[in-house]
Parts: sequence; C-alpha cells; structure tokens
Amino acid sequence: DAGVIQSPRHEVTEMGQEVTLRCKPISGHNSLFWYRQTMMRGLELLIYFNNNVPIDDSGMPEDRFSAKMPNASFSTLKIQPSEPRDSAVYFCASSSSGFNSPLHFGNGTRLTVT
Amino acid sequence: AQSVTQPDIHITVSEGASLELRCNYSYGATPYLFWYVQSPGQGLQLLLKYFSGDTLVQGIKGFEAEFKRSQSSFNLRKPSVHWSDAAEYFCAVEGLTGGGNKLTFGTGTQLKVEL
Repeated sequence: DAGVIQSPRHEVTEMGQEVTLRCKPISGHNSLFWYRQTMMRGLELLIYFNNNVPIDDSGMPEDRFSAKMPNASFSTLKIQPSEPRDSAVYFCASSSSGFNSPLHFGNGTRLTVT
Repeated sequence: AQSVTQPDIHITVSEGASLELRCNYSYGATPYLFWYVQSPGQGLQLLLKYFSGDTLVQGIKGFEAEFKRSQSSFNLRKPSVHWSDAAEYFCAVEGLTGGGNKLTFGTGTQLKVEL
C-alpha cells in the first residue's frame, strides 16, 4: 500500500497565480479530507468528501479556494488567485467510512506564495 | 461543537524519563478520541484511538492513553522516552457534523528529548 500520495511536495508561486494541489487517496477509502497547517492556526479542516461528494466545506476560507473529487482515486485543491497568506502546508488524508476509522495522511504540500 | 485543548505547547524531557502529554476535550456525547504524531516534514500518523471499552488504550511505539470521562481528558503517556520520540503530538476528537463525521485537532504539543 503506497499510502496517500500528494503532489507536489513543494510549490513556490507568485501572488495572483493559480495553484493546484493533488491527492491520491488509499485505494478502497471512501472519505477524503483536505487540511491546512500553519503555525498560527494549527491544523484546520478545509473540506471533506464522502464517496466523492463534498460533505462539509465550511472550513474553506474563501471563494478563492475550491476542491473537486472527480473519482474515487483523485482529488484537487485549487487556489485562484493565490495570496501570501495562503502559505502553509496542505495535507490530504483518507479513511474508510464510519466512526473511529483513523485518518491516513499524506506527506503534505508546502506552499509558499511570494 | 467539539473542541480539543492541549495546554502544553512545548515539553522537554530527558531520554529514559517518563512522559505525559495532556489533552482535554469538549463534546456532548461519548467521544471518539485519537492521538497522532507528526515528525518533521511528514504527515500525521495514528498512535492510538479510543471509542469504547477499556479506558486505558495501548498504541504503537509503546504509547498509551487513558480516557477519564469525569475530567474530560485523554492524556498520552509513555514510561520511558526515546530520542526518536521527538516530534509533535496532536490529540483529536471525532464528532458528527452535517451528514458525516469530523475530526477536530488540538493545537499540538512539541516534544523535545534531551540526550
């Protein structure tokens, strides 16, 4: 099992540019989560999907952020346009459905917006 | 809404010493509780979880945690810390929200191990 795969590992971009982060969940997992981690705010849940359907996107900070899950093996988080305050580490995690199913995290994408 | 408090931002212990990391939660029903560990440059890894039964749960790497409902706590312990345990530790509580389950993390405790 390759685990949750995120790409790229690092992204440096200029303010105003579009950024797309990618995630491949563990095969067979039907819940997928996007988290953002910063020193100031810790780990924040941005959005999560169950069976490819967005269930809770209340953590998405602004309309500049959007997420899609076109199929069970792929998800994207897009920021357009990006701003310096978006700089953070973005984690994708997946789990089986149901309570107390642990999250399996990817290694994250470190985003720097200059 | 559920919440988690980890009152210690940083903790330093000597290798071989015992460790206890504090976690307090707020949730209206029986909580599902987790501890995760994050090494530098890595994602979070599950150490252990509690959802029912024995209030003392064992996890990986020699860690254990005790659920105390009366104190709304789920403290993480290890009898003897190894230098490789230096990492950031997150407590989390799971609860229902609008059609699904949602994990809420504490702000984390950074553990430093002195040799």
